[in-house]
Amino acid sequence: QKEVEQDPGPLSVPEGAIVSLNCTYSNSAFQYFMWYRQYSRKGPELLMYTYSSGNKEDGRFTAQVDKSSKYISLFIRDSQPSDSATYLCAFSSGSARQLTFGSGTQLTVLP
Amino acid sequence: GAVVSQHPSWVICKSGTSVKIECRSLDFQATTMFWYRQFPKKSLMLMATSNEGSKATYEQGVEKDKFLINHASLTLSTLTVTSAHPEDSSFYICSARLLPISNQPQHFGDGTRLSIL
Repeated sequence: QKEVEQDPGPLSVPEGAIVSLNCTYSNSAFQYFMWYRQYSRKGPELLMYTYSSGNKEDGRFTAQVDKSSKYISLFIRDSQPSDSATYLCAFSSGSARQLTFGSGTQLTVLP
Repeated sequence: GAVVSQHPSWVICKSGTSVKIECRSLDFQATTMFWYRQFPKKSLMLMATSNEGSKATYEQGVEKDKFLINHASLTLSTLTVTSAHPEDSSFYICSARLLPISNQPQHFGDGTRLSIL
C-alpha cells in the first residue's frame, strides 16, 4: 500500500463549480497536513496548512482533515479558470522534517 | 510575495558541463533547505536536505558526488549538477522552512528547468 494515495485526474469542471480534491494516507505518524498548488513550470505554492482534525477555511478554500479515517480534502468554492493547476497534498510527522507528497491532481476550470 | 528565490529559472547546456543552481531565502534565515527533483506530470522527489554549516543529507539512490550541495550561509544553498548528462534533465526545486519551529510548512522556489543537450 502506498503511503499516500491521490487521484491524478485530470479533473475538468465548469467555472463556478465546487471542486473536491482528496488524499488518503496510511502513516499514523503524520500530524501536519498541507495542500500546495502548482502551476505549470512553477514551484508549489502553499495553500493550506493544518495539524488538527476538522475544517479550516481561507477564502474560497476549505481544508478538511479526518485523522480517524486518514483522509484529507480540499474544497474550492466558486472555482475560477485561474484555479487551473496541479494540486498536491503533503504530509509530515512531528519528528521528521521532510514532506511526503501525493502524486498531484490536475485540475482544469473551464470558462 | 515569494519567500524563496531560485536562480536560474531555466538553463540549457552541453553534456559534460557542471551547472550551479542557487536557492535563497528572502527576509528570513533558513538553517535547513530541501532540494527536490520533478519529472513531467510526476510529484516531487526529495533529493537531499541541506544543512547550514554541515554536510547535506542525501536520500537513498541520490549520488552525492553528482549532486553537490553547499549551504554556506543562512540564506543561501546551492546545488551543483556535476558533469551533467541528458538523463539529468529535469525540473529542480528547492524549499526552505521558516525558523525557528521545525514543523512550519516548507515554502518553495519557482524551480529550475535544466536541459542537457
